[in-house]
Amino acid sequence: AQKVTQAQTEISVVEKEDVTLDCVYETRDTTYYLFWYKQPPSGELVFLIRRNSFDEQNEISGRYSWNFQKSTSSFNFTITASQVVDSAVYFCALSEEGYSTLTFGKGTMLLVSP
Amino acid sequence: DAGVIQSPRHEVTEMGQEVTLRCKPISGHNSLFWYRQTMMRGLELLIYFNNNVPIDDSGMPEDRFSAKMPNASFSTLKIQPSEPRDSAVYFCASSGGVGKLFFGSGTQLSVL
Repeated sequence: AQKVTQAQTEISVVEKEDVTLDCVYETRDTTYYLFWYKQPPSGELVFLIRRNSFDEQNEISGRYSWNFQKSTSSFNFTITASQVVDSAVYFCALSEEGYSTLTFGKGTMLLVSP
Repeated sequence: DAGVIQSPRHEVTEMGQEVTLRCKPISGHNSLFWYRQTMMRGLELLIYFNNNVPIDDSGMPEDRFSAKMPNASFSTLKIQPSEPRDSAVYFCASSGGVGKLFFGSGTQLSVL
């Protein structure tokens, strides 16, 4: 069975601080996909990134970066120089090969104050 | 593209009433998902359709819940009779590829 754990339920930072959101997953498959979604106060879920299990290269997109480590079953998300607009709930998710649905973690609420 | 369209955005009803939530997926997407979000349980998959056929409905709570997808551009989630514990945000999502789901804005359901 697959499982996604986001141990941090809520994080508060001040603008311009860096912040890392943790994600640990469990799966028996050797091929799987990992995702991060953002849910701003408006409520919609916004896709941020998808990585497959064979690609452990870290990725950077502007102020966002992702660190995928198979050895520790982790897929952590770092926001550099956080901004108030980054305030949202962030979800990590897992999809196993041949199965299109996502299993979500419980989410981490990030509050960035000015 | 307009994205995934859900209606209504908000629904307030009384216990025992029938509730119907509607979803129009993104054109060309062959997979459709209904998720429910609550504070206690987070995001839970209710049912998943592929090419209009229900593939996995193991997340549907009980017989009071039913979902249909009569064609590639429309799906409904029905609760009959509704109960206060059904109060949640219900999301519809569609996908054309593995795991990259596009979500609608959700329906906030309150059952009094």
